Amino acid sequence: SQTIHQWPATLVQPVGSPLSLECTVEGTSNPNLYWYRQAAGRGLQLLFYSVGIGQISSEVPQNLSASRPQDRQFILSSKKLLLSDSGFYLCACHQGGYEQYFGPGTRLTVT
Amino acid sequence: LAKTTQPISMDSYEGQEVNITCSHNNIATNDYITWYQQFPSQGPRFIIQGYKTKVTNEVASLFIPADRKSSTLSLPRVSLSDTAVYYCLPTFSGGYNKLIFGAGTRLAVHP
Repeated sequence: SQTIHQWPATLVQPVGSPLSLECTVEGTSNPNLYWYRQAAGRGLQLLFYSVGIGQISSEVPQNLSASRPQDRQFILSSKKLLLSDSGFYLCACHQGGYEQYFGPGTRLTVT
Repeated sequence: LAKTTQPISMDSYEGQEVNITCSHNNIATNDYITWYQQFPSQGPRFIIQGYKTKVTNEVASLFIPADRKSSTLSLPRVSLSDTAVYYCLPTFSGGYNKLIFGAGTRLAVHP
Protein backbone atom coordinates (compact mmCIF):
# COMPACT_ATOMS: atom_id res chain seq x y z
CA SER A 1 0.00 0.00 0.00
CA GLN A 2 0.99 3.61 -0.37
CA THR A 3 2.74 5.58 2.37
CA ILE A 4 3.02 9.33 2.43
CA HIS A 5 5.67 11.20 4.36
CA GLN A 6 5.44 14.86 5.22
CA TRP A 7 7.80 17.13 7.04
CA PRO A 8 8.07 19.00 9.16
CA ALA A 9 5.24 17.92 11.43
CA THR A 10 4.89 21.36 12.97
CA LEU A 11 6.23 24.73 11.97
CA VAL A 12 6.04 28.23 13.41
CA GLN A 13 7.04 30.97 11.02
CA PRO A 14 6.87 34.78 11.15
CA VAL A 15 4.82 36.74 8.66
CA GLY A 16 6.82 37.48 5.53
CA SER A 17 9.12 34.50 5.85
CA PRO A 18 9.45 31.80 3.16
CA LEU A 19 7.95 28.35 3.37
CA SER A 20 8.83 24.94 2.03
CA LEU A 21 6.83 21.83 2.88
CA GLU A 22 7.83 18.50 1.43
CA CYS A 23 5.84 15.41 0.68
CA THR A 24 7.18 12.08 -0.56
CA VAL A 25 5.28 8.97 -1.51
CA GLU A 26 6.29 5.31 -1.25
CA GLY A 27 4.71 2.21 -2.66
CA THR A 28 3.43 3.53 -5.93
CA SER A 29 4.54 5.21 -9.13
CA ASN A 30 3.04 7.98 -11.22
CA PRO A 31 0.41 8.92 -8.65
CA ASN A 32 -1.79 11.98 -8.69
CA LEU A 33 -0.60 14.21 -5.85
CA TYR A 34 -2.55 16.82 -3.91
CA TRP A 35 -2.01 19.57 -1.39
CA TYR A 36 -4.92 20.43 0.90
CA ARG A 37 -5.17 23.00 3.64
CA GLN A 38 -7.48 22.80 6.61
CA ALA A 39 -8.14 25.80 8.82
CA ALA A 40 -9.09 25.14 12.43
CA GLY A 41 -12.53 23.54 12.62
CA ARG A 42 -13.05 23.73 8.88
CA GLY A 43 -13.11 21.35 5.93
CA LEU A 44 -10.33 20.53 3.50
CA GLN A 45 -9.50 23.07 0.83
CA LEU A 46 -7.80 21.75 -2.29
CA LEU A 47 -4.80 23.97 -3.09
CA PHE A 48 -2.89 22.15 -5.85
CA TYR A 49 -2.90 18.87 -7.66
CA SER A 50 -0.45 17.23 -10.01
CA VAL A 51 -0.88 14.40 -12.49
CA GLY A 52 2.82 14.12 -13.35
CA ILE A 53 6.31 15.58 -13.01
CA GLY A 54 6.27 19.30 -13.61
CA GLN A 55 2.48 19.37 -14.06
CA ILE A 56 0.76 21.53 -11.46
CA SER A 57 -2.82 22.75 -11.35
CA SER A 58 -3.74 25.51 -8.93
CA GLU A 59 -7.16 25.64 -7.40
CA VAL A 60 -6.95 28.78 -5.30
CA PRO A 61 -5.10 31.96 -6.30
CA GLN A 62 -2.85 32.92 -3.43
CA ASN A 63 0.74 33.40 -2.45
CA LEU A 64 1.47 29.68 -2.42
CA SER A 65 3.03 27.61 -5.17
CA ALA A 66 3.71 23.93 -5.71
CA SER A 67 6.29 21.94 -7.60
CA ARG A 68 6.80 18.30 -8.47
CA PRO A 69 10.47 17.80 -9.28
CA GLN A 70 10.27 14.00 -9.08
CA ASP A 71 7.52 11.46 -9.59
CA ARG A 72 6.95 10.87 -5.90
CA GLN A 73 7.90 14.26 -4.50
CA PHE A 74 5.56 17.20 -4.08
CA ILE A 75 6.64 20.53 -2.59
CA LEU A 76 4.53 23.42 -1.34
CA SER A 77 6.25 26.80 -1.16
CA SER A 78 5.72 30.43 -0.41
CA LYS A 79 8.02 33.40 -0.78
CA LYS A 80 6.27 35.44 1.90
CA LEU A 81 3.85 33.93 4.39
CA LEU A 82 0.65 35.67 5.48
CA LEU A 83 -1.20 35.20 8.73
CA SER A 84 -4.00 33.59 6.74
CA ASP A 85 -1.62 30.83 5.62
CA SER A 86 -1.84 29.25 9.06
CA GLY A 87 -3.45 25.85 9.01
CA PHE A 88 -3.02 22.12 8.71
CA TYR A 89 -1.46 21.13 5.39
CA LEU A 90 -2.10 17.69 4.05
CA CYS A 91 -0.48 15.91 1.15
CA ALA A 92 -2.46 13.16 -0.53
CA CYS A 93 -2.07 10.73 -3.39
CA HIS A 94 -4.54 8.97 -5.60
CA GLN A 95 -3.83 6.51 -8.33
CA GLY A 96 -6.41 5.07 -10.66
CA GLY A 97 -8.32 3.34 -7.91
CA TYR A 98 -10.81 5.17 -5.86
CA GLU A 99 -9.14 5.59 -2.50
CA GLN A 100 -7.12 8.65 -1.65
CA TYR A 101 -4.27 8.29 0.85
CA PHE A 102 -3.25 11.13 3.12
CA GLY A 103 -0.03 11.98 4.87
CA PRO A 104 0.26 12.87 8.56
CA GLY A 105 0.09 16.59 7.87
CA THR A 106 2.07 19.70 8.79
CA ARG A 107 0.63 22.18 11.24
CA LEU A 108 1.78 25.65 10.24
CA THR A 109 1.39 28.64 12.52
CA VAL A 110 2.24 32.03 11.08
CA THR A 111 2.91 34.62 13.78
CA LEU B 1 -19.59 18.03 -11.06
CA ALA B 2 -21.33 16.35 -8.15
CA LYS B 3 -21.96 18.50 -5.10
CA THR B 4 -22.63 16.75 -1.81
CA THR B 5 -24.79 17.78 1.12
CA GLN B 6 -24.40 16.26 4.58
CA PRO B 7 -25.64 17.26 8.02
CA ILE B 8 -23.14 19.55 9.68
CA SER B 9 -23.19 17.66 12.96
CA MET B 10 -24.73 14.69 14.72
CA ASP B 11 -24.79 13.43 18.28
CA SER B 12 -25.06 9.87 19.47
CA TYR B 13 -24.38 7.66 22.46
CA GLU B 14 -22.14 4.69 22.87
CA GLY B 15 -23.64 1.46 21.61
CA GLN B 16 -26.11 3.11 19.23
CA GLU B 17 -26.21 2.75 15.48
CA VAL B 18 -25.48 5.95 13.59
CA ASN B 19 -26.63 6.67 10.06
CA ILE B 20 -25.18 9.61 8.16
CA THR B 21 -26.84 10.46 4.88
CA CYS B 22 -25.21 12.32 2.03
CA SER B 23 -27.09 13.67 -0.95
CA HIS B 24 -25.40 13.89 -4.35
CA ASN B 25 -28.11 14.67 -6.85
CA ASN B 26 -25.95 15.06 -9.96
CA ILE B 27 -23.56 12.22 -9.45
CA ALA B 28 -21.91 10.98 -12.64
CA THR B 29 -22.46 7.51 -14.05
CA ASN B 30 -18.85 6.55 -13.41
CA ASP B 31 -18.71 7.98 -9.90
CA TYR B 32 -18.22 5.75 -6.91
CA ILE B 33 -19.12 7.05 -3.47
CA THR B 34 -16.34 7.02 -0.91
CA TRP B 35 -16.55 7.85 2.77
CA TYR B 36 -13.64 9.09 4.83
CA GLN B 37 -13.14 9.56 8.55
CA GLN B 38 -10.96 12.28 10.02
CA PHE B 39 -9.73 12.65 13.58
CA PRO B 40 -8.29 15.95 14.84
CA SER B 41 -4.77 16.66 13.60
CA GLN B 42 -4.81 13.69 11.24
CA GLY B 43 -5.47 13.25 7.56
CA PRO B 44 -8.72 11.62 6.46
CA ARG B 45 -8.70 7.87 6.14
CA PHE B 46 -10.76 5.64 3.92
CA ILE B 47 -13.75 3.90 5.49
CA ILE B 48 -15.81 2.39 2.71
CA GLN B 49 -16.70 2.75 -0.95
CA GLY B 50 -19.60 1.65 -3.10
CA TYR B 51 -21.38 2.13 -6.39
CA LYS B 52 -24.87 0.80 -5.81
CA THR B 53 -26.92 -1.20 -3.28
CA LYS B 54 -25.12 -2.22 -0.10
CA VAL B 55 -21.49 -2.67 0.82
CA THR B 56 -20.29 -3.86 4.22
CA ASN B 57 -16.86 -4.15 5.75
CA GLU B 58 -15.54 -4.63 9.26
CA VAL B 59 -16.05 -0.96 10.09
CA ALA B 60 -19.27 0.19 8.43
CA SER B 61 -22.02 -0.38 5.89
CA LEU B 62 -22.86 1.79 2.94
CA PHE B 63 -26.30 1.94 1.40
CA ILE B 64 -26.79 3.47 -2.04
CA PRO B 65 -30.29 3.39 -3.56
CA ALA B 66 -30.94 2.60 -7.19
CA ASP B 67 -31.16 6.26 -8.23
CA ARG B 68 -27.76 6.92 -6.57
CA LYS B 69 -28.81 10.41 -5.55
CA SER B 70 -27.90 9.74 -1.96
CA SER B 71 -25.90 7.37 0.18
CA THR B 72 -26.03 6.43 3.86
CA LEU B 73 -23.07 5.47 5.98
CA SER B 74 -24.08 3.21 8.83
CA LEU B 75 -21.85 2.79 11.87
CA PRO B 76 -23.04 -0.04 14.10
CA ARG B 77 -22.68 0.28 17.87
CA VAL B 78 -20.56 3.41 17.96
CA SER B 79 -17.99 4.01 20.65
CA LEU B 80 -16.31 7.17 21.91
CA SER B 81 -13.47 6.55 19.47
CA ASP B 82 -15.86 7.03 16.55
CA THR B 83 -16.07 10.73 17.37
CA ALA B 84 -14.72 12.29 14.19
CA VAL B 85 -15.65 14.15 11.02
CA TYR B 86 -17.09 12.01 8.23
CA TYR B 87 -16.85 13.02 4.58
CA CYS B 88 -18.84 11.73 1.65
CA LEU B 89 -17.02 12.04 -1.64
CA PRO B 90 -17.94 11.11 -5.20
CA THR B 91 -14.88 9.76 -6.96
CA PHE B 92 -14.80 12.50 -9.53
CA SER B 93 -16.18 15.18 -7.24
CA GLY B 94 -14.09 17.89 -8.80
CA GLY B 95 -13.68 16.45 -12.22
CA TYR B 96 -11.16 13.83 -13.22
CA ASN B 97 -8.00 14.02 -11.10
CA LYS B 98 -9.55 16.51 -8.67
CA LEU B 99 -11.00 15.34 -5.38
CA ILE B 100 -13.04 18.01 -3.65
CA PHE B 101 -14.11 17.49 -0.06
CA GLY B 102 -17.25 19.05 1.36
CA ALA B 103 -17.65 20.26 4.92
CA GLY B 104 -18.33 16.80 6.28
CA THR B 105 -20.42 15.69 9.26
CA ARG B 106 -19.04 16.15 12.74
CA LEU B 107 -20.14 13.15 14.81
CA ALA B 108 -19.93 13.38 18.58
CA VAL B 109 -20.39 10.15 20.53
CA HIS B 110 -21.28 10.60 24.20
CA PRO B 111 -20.87 8.13 27.06
